[in-house]
Amino acid sequence: NAGVMQNPRHLVRRRGQEARLRCSPMKGHSHVYWYRQLPEEGLKFMVYLQKENIIDESGMPKERFSAEFPKEGPSILRIQQVVRGDSAAYFCASLSIRTSGYNEQFFGPGTRLTVL
Amino acid sequence: AQSVTQLGSHVSVSEGALVLLRCNYSSSVPPYLFWYVQYPNQGLQLLLKYTSAATLVKGINGFEAEFKKSETSFHLTKPSAHMSDAAEYFCAVSGGYSGGGADGLTFGKGTHLIIQP
Repeated sequence: NAGVMQNPRHLVRRRGQEARLRCSPMKGHSHVYWYRQLPEEGLKFMVYLQKENIIDESGMPKERFSAEFPKEGPSILRIQQVVRGDSAAYFCASLSIRTSGYNEQFFGPGTRLTVL
Repeated sequence: AQSVTQLGSHVSVSEGALVLLRCNYSSSVPPYLFWYVQYPNQGLQLLLKYTSAATLVKGINGFEAEFKKSETSFHLTKPSAHMSDAAEYFCAVSGGYSGGGADGLTFGKGTHLIIQP
């Protein structure tokens, strides 16, 4: 069973460009989370999605950031008009709640975004 | 709302010595608590989790942690450090369920574990 996949692993953008980060959850997982890790910081929760629904976006910046998890295909985190402060590692995690009890979030390897 | 405090951004121990990484949390609901490890340029791997069963939780690679409600702590320990334990360690808390799934995790800032030969 393949783990959570993220691509690209490294992404370089110039200020003002758009960044698209992709996350394919583990097979059978219908819940996806996005986290951002700034240098010397822990991970910060951004958004929680189920298929075609945003459940909790309380950690998303109000402007320029959006996320989706369509019925088919990977989850996408989109950052418009990137600025240097967006440079960070972005991690995706997936989870399945089909079993009882609390379920582990499985993390992908991350996408490291560098804004020049 | 939850929060996590990890005392010590860097901890250095000798190979073979006891490892102790501290984590204190605050939560308005009974918490679920986790320790994750991150190796350079990699994602996070779950070491262990507390989900209201036994207060002493055993994880992978010889690590364990004890949930102490009175102290709001969930410190991570390992009796004998190995060079391969050098990594970043994150403590995290979740308040439970929302939307039929699980809440996003709240992480501490991490502790960088250095192993001296």
